[in-house]
Amino acid sequence: ETGVTQTPRHLVMGMTNKKSLKCEQHLGHNAMYWYKQSAKKPLELMFVYSLEERVENNSVPSRFSPECPNSSHLFLHLHTLQPEDSALYLCASSQKLARDNEQFFGPGTRLTVL
Amino acid sequence: KQEVTQIPAALSVPEGENLVLNCSFTDSAIYNLQWFRQDPGKGLTSLLLIQSSQREQTSGRLNASLDKSSGRSTLYIAASQPGDSATYLCAVRNTGGFKTIFGAGTRLFVKA
Repeated sequence: ETGVTQTPRHLVMGMTNKKSLKCEQHLGHNAMYWYKQSAKKPLELMFVYSLEERVENNSVPSRFSPECPNSSHLFLHLHTLQPEDSALYLCASSQKLARDNEQFFGPGTRLTVL
Repeated sequence: KQEVTQIPAALSVPEGENLVLNCSFTDSAIYNLQWFRQDPGKGLTSLLLIQSSQREQTSGRLNASLDKSSGRSTLYIAASQPGDSATYLCAVRNTGGFKTIFGAGTRLFVKA
């Protein structure tokens, strides 16, 4: 595998379920990001991690819980979601947390909350 | 608060046409601007990255310009092809913080 991978690619869950999204980057990068893309809305940054430490939490509800066990892996734990949380969740990475660093995106997880 | 706007929201052109996609931003204190391509249901592919000190970047049939003072960027696509059909996103990185602000995108359809 190369680049940034995300699993699962599609997920359907009920409001009482608990699930996790996984992101893995094979680029040797030190910074990782979670974005949410809702229908007809711009991408919204959710979380930023640098060297496994969270450096930004963009006012995201607590039903979304990120975890970064090492610089290659990023998880998004989901519980008691709402239908409006249905969206494409994109993971990205960059070499380091610097403004001039290009971000590389994964293919996303299409989440549907029933 | 930085806001990024992309016009038009959707565009349909015949194959072979040259076209321009527009991006505007409200706060000129940007570090860089990046154009991405997104195919339906897929992630983002970076096309061009323009640092704030640069005026333009070129890659193949793509040319992106940046006018920081007027808060505008354009993506020029020459000799469009059906394979160019996708959503094109513009994103700016402000000089403060780590946040990247995205526009809503322009959905392009190139007819064969």
